[in-house]
Amino acid sequence: AQSVTQLDSQVPVFEEAPVELRCNYSSSVSVYLFWYVQYPNQGLQLLLKYLSGSTLVKGINGFEAEFNKSQTSFHLRKPSVHISDTAEYFCAVSLNTGGFKTIFGAGTRLFVKA
Amino acid sequence: DAGVIQSPRHEVTEMGQEVTLRCKPISGHDYLFWYRQTMMRGLELLIYFNNNVPIDDSGMPEDRFSAKMPNASFSTLKIQPSEPRDSAVYFCASTHRTGGFNEQFFGPGTRLTVL
Repeated sequence: AQSVTQLDSQVPVFEEAPVELRCNYSSSVSVYLFWYVQYPNQGLQLLLKYLSGSTLVKGINGFEAEFNKSQTSFHLRKPSVHISDTAEYFCAVSLNTGGFKTIFGAGTRLFVKA
Repeated sequence: DAGVIQSPRHEVTEMGQEVTLRCKPISGHDYLFWYRQTMMRGLELLIYFNNNVPIDDSGMPEDRFSAKMPNASFSTLKIQPSEPRDSAVYFCASTHRTGGFNEQFFGPGTRLTVL
């Protein structure tokens, strides 16, 4: 079975500082990896995804993530955050062998302070 | 495209009442998912459909929950009878498979409060 662990429930950071949100996954087979963002009172929307190929994936709003197979990690980074990045961020995995069941992590609340 | 549409956006009901949540997926999408989000349990997949057929309902909490998809443009999630522990935000999402895996598109959610 697959599982996803987001190592930080909350991450406070000052505006224009860099940030890293950590995600580790567990799976005995190859998976697809995703990061979604949820703004207050909204549904989730995709930030970026890793399917195959280059391990460094770039997404929207200046975010990027790096797939590390040996460490089974998929950490999300942004070099300089804005107040508008305040939101909840979810790491997710799905089998790449068909079927669309996606397992979501518990979420990390990013709070950007002025 | 209007995106995934859910109704109602907010629902307040009393314990024991029947609750029906509605979802219209994005046109052309052939997969539809129902999720429940709570502070304690995070985001849980309840059930998903492919071409209107339920594929995996292992996340449905108990017999009080049921979901249907009578056609490609409409799905319902019903709770009967409702209980206070069902209070949560319920999301519907849809996607399609074209040449590989695709992201899920989420609706705005229905916030359910059972008193």
